[in-house]
Amino acid sequence: SQQGEEDPQALSIQEGENATMNCSYKTSINNLQWYRQNSGRGLVHLILIRSNEREKHSGRLRVTLDTSKKSSSLLITASRAADTASYFCATVGGGAQKLVFGQGTRLTINP
Amino acid sequence: EAQVTQNPRYLITVTGKKLTVTCSQNMNHEYMSWYRQDPGLGLRQIYYSMNVEVTDKGDVPEGYKVSRKEKRNFPLILESPSPNQTSLYFCASSPDRGISQQYFGPGTRLTVT
Repeated sequence: SQQGEEDPQALSIQEGENATMNCSYKTSINNLQWYRQNSGRGLVHLILIRSNEREKHSGRLRVTLDTSKKSSSLLITASRAADTASYFCATVGGGAQKLVFGQGTRLTINP
Repeated sequence: EAQVTQNPRYLITVTGKKLTVTCSQNMNHEYMSWYRQDPGLGLRQIYYSMNVEVTDKGDVPEGYKVSRKEKRNFPLILESPSPNQTSLYFCASSPDRGISQQYFGPGTRLTVT
């Protein structure tokens, strides 16, 4: 069962621009996490935001969470070519012990 | 170095030939999980384990088995692989019942002909 749905499915921007990806989910959550995946490789955890938090920062990453709208956004500022990857949101439900992933956003940073 | 390792990384096999994909973590995590990743379907959980000798089905367990005899190892077993099990498989571990950050292995690309 997929919980998170990312939007857009693909995003292509110029190096130096900001990239924003959105995630919507359907049920109540304990937390929401963002992961990055370089082509065909393992997922790397980026940031975790709990249901009682509204915003979190980590370096060039900014994540927001709006539980009333059941949505989250990931902002990458001053993008670099190395940011080219797929980005996934994943949710942990209130009573569940597992991550449920969305289908991801494919981000391409053009030099 | 803290990591999750998987072997093999690539495997091509034939229908019906039993195979095992190994997964090992060196972080003393209690929670481990297997996912498969398919185009257009994202990552889906196959099985997970909360601790030694404790395993449970995920969303797509059919055709797979797992075991958790030791804390560090969580092998994925395909008793009779079929072509629809061709996929990219990931093992992951987590320190906190699976609700916190998960650490992923590098993946195993399996092709069943």
